[in-house]
Amino acid sequence: QKEVEQDPGPLSVPEGAIVSLNCTYSNSAFQYFMWYRQYSRKGPELLMYTYSSGNKEDGRFTAQVDKSSKYISLFIRDSQPSDSATYLCATPFSGGYNKLIFGAGTRLAVHP
Amino acid sequence: GAGVSQSPSNKVTEKGKDVELRCDPISGHTALYWYRQSLGQGLEFLIYFQGNSAPDKSGLPSDRFSAERTGGSVSTLTIQRTQQEDSAVYLCASSLGGNGNTIYFGEGSWLTVV
Repeated sequence: QKEVEQDPGPLSVPEGAIVSLNCTYSNSAFQYFMWYRQYSRKGPELLMYTYSSGNKEDGRFTAQVDKSSKYISLFIRDSQPSDSATYLCATPFSGGYNKLIFGAGTRLAVHP
Repeated sequence: GAGVSQSPSNKVTEKGKDVELRCDPISGHTALYWYRQSLGQGLEFLIYFQGNSAPDKSGLPSDRFSAERTGGSVSTLTIQRTQQEDSAVYLCASSLGGNGNTIYFGEGSWLTVV
């Protein structure tokens, strides 16, 4: 079992839809979670990070962590064609923040 | 630009040849990372440099892979005797420090071994 699992998609939604992207993780010691967005042929860029259970909101994006079920989610409201990208969840290896374990990434396409 | 710069952007090499990939981190960033992204896979940690400390090489997949960082700035990732399974995007990243600092990625070097 991989330490971080993510459905690769692709996920195709119409503009304006609410998008839900999800990851599961296996190690209950993981505490710090990140979402990266990666456009085609570009490097990943940090979108959001969360440290504890609960929700964190930033504009149209909401990150949610459920430690009891080891489940993390990213919600995108009012999705736009410019949101079309691959979304990767990540968490640091236990014991330090210097190295990240990434999910495989979910490819999202938002069509007009 | 002010971002992480990587070269070459694309490299096609024959199996068995050595390749060198270069990374120029953001000025002032003391931490530098190399990751590998294979088709349909997430990023895989390779190596981490922090200041003058010994690098964390725990992610290097074999002894054919090595990396160095000269003068605390530019880094070179070397793959010797390349194999087809080495085909991937090699991403370099840097951060202002180690723990807790945002990591900024370059656009990657796309390596194809034929």
